[in-house]
Amino acid sequence: NAGVTQTPKFRVLKTGQSMTLLCAQDMNHEYMYWYRQDPGMGLRLIHYSVGEGTTAKGEVPDGYNVSRLKKQNFLLGLESAAPSQTSVYFCASSYRTLGDTQYFGPGTRLTVL
Amino acid sequence: GENVEQHPSTLSVQEGDSAVIKCTYSDSASNYFPWYKQELGKRPQLIIDIRSNVGEKKDQRIAVTLNKTAKHFSLHITETQPEDSAVYFCAASKGNFGNEKLTFGTGTRLTIIP
Repeated sequence: NAGVTQTPKFRVLKTGQSMTLLCAQDMNHEYMYWYRQDPGMGLRLIHYSVGEGTTAKGEVPDGYNVSRLKKQNFLLGLESAAPSQTSVYFCASSYRTLGDTQYFGPGTRLTVL
Repeated sequence: GENVEQHPSTLSVQEGDSAVIKCTYSDSASNYFPWYKQELGKRPQLIIDIRSNVGEKKDQRIAVTLNKTAKHFSLHITETQPEDSAVYFCAASKGNFGNEKLTFGTGTRLTIIP
């Protein structure tokens, strides 16, 4: 099993550009999450999904959109990137409820100039 | 919503000594408390977790204690080793349908001094 994978690993954008981050998991997990990690601020939840076709807002959803068309994939979109979105983005998944371990992907380092 | 505070933000410990990291949470309905370890440049990984129906849980050199009355929980690492150097995050959640979110603390950078 590959576990949780993220594409791409690194990306540099100019302000106003758009991009999509892809998260894929092969563990048949129902729950998937997108976090951003900034120095001194820990992990903050952007959006999450409790199953195929469902999404919900997390703590910092503004400027991001997500889709979960297939159970194994969770996409994070930036429609018009801003320098404030420079961060490391982590995807995670878990089998069912929050009592289950969240498994994280390797992260995507995004820089917006 | 839930608020998790974590202290200290940095901690240096002599190899072989013990390290303690403390977290407090605000929502008395929270009932699941995991701890994640993140090595430099790596992804966070779960190292131990505790549910509200127990007060302490141990796994070799790592232990977590929970005080529901005071709404705080702590990570204890004994006989520290160089490979324990990392950033540690605590988290809290209600862990039931409709409350699937983990709220993380801001992290503690632990450095083990050889």
